[in-house]
Amino acid sequence: GENVEQHPSTLSVQEGDSAVIKCTYSDSASNYFPWYKQELGKRPQLIIDIRSNVGEKKDQRIAVTLNKTAKHFSLHITETQPEDSAVYFCAASMGAANAGGTSYGKLTFGQGTILTVHP
Amino acid sequence: EAGVVQSPRYKIIEKKQPVAFWCNPISGHNTLYWYLQNLGQGPELLIRYENEEAVDDSQLPKDRFSAERLKGVDSTLKIQPAELGDSAVYLCASSAESGGDEQYFGPGTRLTVT
Repeated sequence: GENVEQHPSTLSVQEGDSAVIKCTYSDSASNYFPWYKQELGKRPQLIIDIRSNVGEKKDQRIAVTLNKTAKHFSLHITETQPEDSAVYFCAASMGAANAGGTSYGKLTFGQGTILTVHP
Repeated sequence: EAGVVQSPRYKIIEKKQPVAFWCNPISGHNTLYWYLQNLGQGPELLIRYENEEAVDDSQLPKDRFSAERLKGVDSTLKIQPAELGDSAVYLCASSAESGGDEQYFGPGTRLTVT
């Protein structure tokens, strides 16, 4: 099955700096890679995602890059703000482009990164 | 659009007691997932439903866990009997028609087994 490794486990930055979180995956059939933000005691919220036919996607201060050959993807947050402080999870799945089998739709999550943005 | 609804939000029970969690997905979402999240870890899939059919329950400990989605809308996850190691957050998520990859999570039920 799929295995997703996420680094670093904790990340501390000053407000205004950039933050980068990296993930690697093992199953070359995975083609959908979402990122979730989870504040303490709250639900995981989908913040951005990328599919394997795209190398980079950006949404305001956040961006995600994907390297299919190396099987790794990264989350980039620029101009960090204290409200960006949370746990961030990457995930991988075999999405709609490869439907079939029991792995379809199953998100495999990384271990999470605790991001702290200091004012 | 209302999000995924779960209840209860918190549950404390003694070991060996039964417990049930309820989930109502986003309207129109026919795929429903139950995940388990241990403290400090990412969610892990327990079971996935397409309408009322459980299409992936390979990670569900069937000796004590059961789930149902009788009418293809809301779902119930049950544990009987609960063990100390079952203490965790149980998350429900839903996604749109087959092929909808984006999964939206509910607030979860935090279970404490004493």
